[in-house]
Amino acid sequence: QKEVEQNSGPLSVPEGAIASLNCTYSDRGSQSFFWYRQYSGKSPELIMSIYSNGDKEDGRFTAQLNKASQYVSLLIRDSQPSDSATYLCAVRGRDDKIIFGKGTRLHILP
Amino acid sequence: GAVVSQHPSRVICKSGTSVKIECRSLDFQATTMFWYRQFPKQSLMLMATSNEGSKATYEQGVEKDKFLINHASLTLSTLTVTSAHPEDSSFYICSASEGYEQYFGPGTRLTVT
Repeated sequence: QKEVEQNSGPLSVPEGAIASLNCTYSDRGSQSFFWYRQYSGKSPELIMSIYSNGDKEDGRFTAQLNKASQYVSLLIRDSQPSDSATYLCAVRGRDDKIIFGKGTRLHILP
Repeated sequence: GAVVSQHPSRVICKSGTSVKIECRSLDFQATTMFWYRQFPKQSLMLMATSNEGSKATYEQGVEKDKFLINHASLTLSTLTVTSAHPEDSSFYICSASEGYEQYFGPGTRLTVT
């Protein structure tokens, strides 16, 4: 059973600090990794994709991938109250199916 | 990123009636679309994978005769909830793949009274 694991939270982070979200996955053959943001009552929005080991930066977001450890993370710098949402980690496996984690609730404290 | 639309955004129907939800990829062609359901404060649940020109693949436990999926073109997939009951009330979200990435529509909130 392929799995994507995330801490459900809530993760509380002061405004302006760095929020660190983590995800592990079980399918060692996975090649594509994604982070989605979902506000309450809304559908998920793709915010980052990462395909190779290392870091990928986009504005205040940095995705980190370590395939050897089967670990993906998302860093949000200078956290803002508008970053408060549920963040979903998603992994595309060898069968081309995307598996979603259950999400981590992030709460930015003003 | 790619844009996926859904219609309607919100629907209220009486128990026993059928409801059709449309999902469109607006600026790309999607050979594969996905239908999810999400209950309040719960995670996404994949219901089925819709392939253009062929039958949908349903996840275990999802009744294919109750949730009819049609993917007639490369930009349109429809989900029909037949003989809806109050327990079918949920947030239904479609998504479509462009390349390696998957983009979600805005969702349809279904309330069955």
